[in-house]
Amino acid sequence: EAGVTQFPSHSVIEKGQTVTLRCDPISGHDNLYWYRRVMGKEIKFLLHFVKESKQDESGMPNNRFLAERTGGTYSTLKVQPAELEDSGVYFCASSQVSGTDNNEQFFGPGTRLTVL
Amino acid sequence: SQQGEEDPQALSIQEGENATMNCSYKTSINNLQWYRQNSGRGLVHLILIRSNEREKHSGRLRVTLDTSKKSSSLLITASRAADTASYFCATVIKAAGNKLTFGGGTRVLVKP
Repeated sequence: EAGVTQFPSHSVIEKGQTVTLRCDPISGHDNLYWYRRVMGKEIKFLLHFVKESKQDESGMPNNRFLAERTGGTYSTLKVQPAELEDSGVYFCASSQVSGTDNNEQFFGPGTRLTVL
Repeated sequence: SQQGEEDPQALSIQEGENATMNCSYKTSINNLQWYRQNSGRGLVHLILIRSNEREKHSGRLRVTLDTSKKSSSLLITASRAADTASYFCATVIKAAGNKLTFGGGTRVLVKP
């Protein structure tokens, strides 16, 4: 079974440009999460999809970030325009179950974003 | 302060020794999970312990949870060079749905 995949693995862009990250969850997983780790900080939650609906987007830092999951399969996270502080590693995770009692999330390898 | 804080931040041991790291948190949790991240790779789920459990084992891993002290520990016994990685605790908070709240992580170096 294929795991969570993310594309690209690395992205280097200039301040003010736009970048779109993609996540393909494990097939059949309705829950999809985005997290990020900026340099020297903890891994922070960004948002959670259940199928195509945003269940929780409380971690999105500002309106320069837009996440979509059309059709409830893969998800994209667009940063427009990118700022220097957006640099970090963006992780995607998926899970099958929705309850909080046994919520094992499977993580992708991450996309390392560098904004110059 | 963060929900999950880990101690120590870094740990260096010889192969065969045990490694212990701790995680403290602030609010009531539904469960606590430990993840491992090898350099440049994604996070790998190691073990989940529920709030009504006190200890769990998985292979060479032993996790304890003390809800009265709001703390957890991860013990890796008979460490191997392949255990070199960063280890993160993450909590699921009852009022906050499914999202994971991570600690800062412990970097473990196992020297052969």
